[in-house]
Amino acid sequence: AQSVTQLGSHVSVSEGALVLLRCNYSSSVPPYLFWYVQYPNQGLQLLLKYTTGATLVKGINGFEAEFKKSETSFHLTKPSAHMSDAAEYFCAVSPLGGSQGNLIFGKGTKLSVKP
Amino acid sequence: GAGVSQSPSNKVTEKGKDVELRCDPISGHTALYWYRQSLGQGLEFLIYFQGNSAPDKSGLPSDRFSAERTGGSVSTLTIQRTQQEDSAVYLCASRSRQGVTEAFFGQGTRLTVV
Repeated sequence: AQSVTQLGSHVSVSEGALVLLRCNYSSSVPPYLFWYVQYPNQGLQLLLKYTTGATLVKGINGFEAEFKKSETSFHLTKPSAHMSDAAEYFCAVSPLGGSQGNLIFGKGTKLSVKP
Repeated sequence: GAGVSQSPSNKVTEKGKDVELRCDPISGHTALYWYRQSLGQGLEFLIYFQGNSAPDKSGLPSDRFSAERTGGSVSTLTIQRTQQEDSAVYLCASRSRQGVTEAFFGQGTRLTVV
């Protein structure tokens, strides 16, 4: 069965510091991968997605993620944190891609940004 | 519609009562998902509908939970004999068949069982 592991339920960084949120997946075949963000009292919105092609994917708000098949990882990074990045971030995997497969989420990582 | 719509946005119910939560997906989206979000538990998969195929019910926590999707569009999640541990935000998402797409989420229904 597919699963997603997000290391660290809480991550705290200072404003301007690097943001690194970790995501590892288990899959017998390379899946499609997604990062979603949930701001306080709001719904989930897509940050970025990996399907095929270039393994470094850029998303909104300066975030990017790199798909590393050998490490079964899809870590999310941002070079310089902003106060507005404080939110909960969810990594998700879709085993077959498109609308053909289930969409499984990790438990989420809450990011705090200190001034 | 323009987005995924869920109703009600908030529901307070007494323990033991049945509740129905509704999801209107984006028009034309063939896949529909229900998730439960509890504090510290992330997004817990409940059930997944894909077109006319049999739904994947593997995430439903007990037989008190059921869901249906009528006409390939609107979905209703029903919780019978609600318990306090059912209190959570219930999220619905839909996804298009066309190409590789992300899921679009509704704002959720916050269920409180008292």
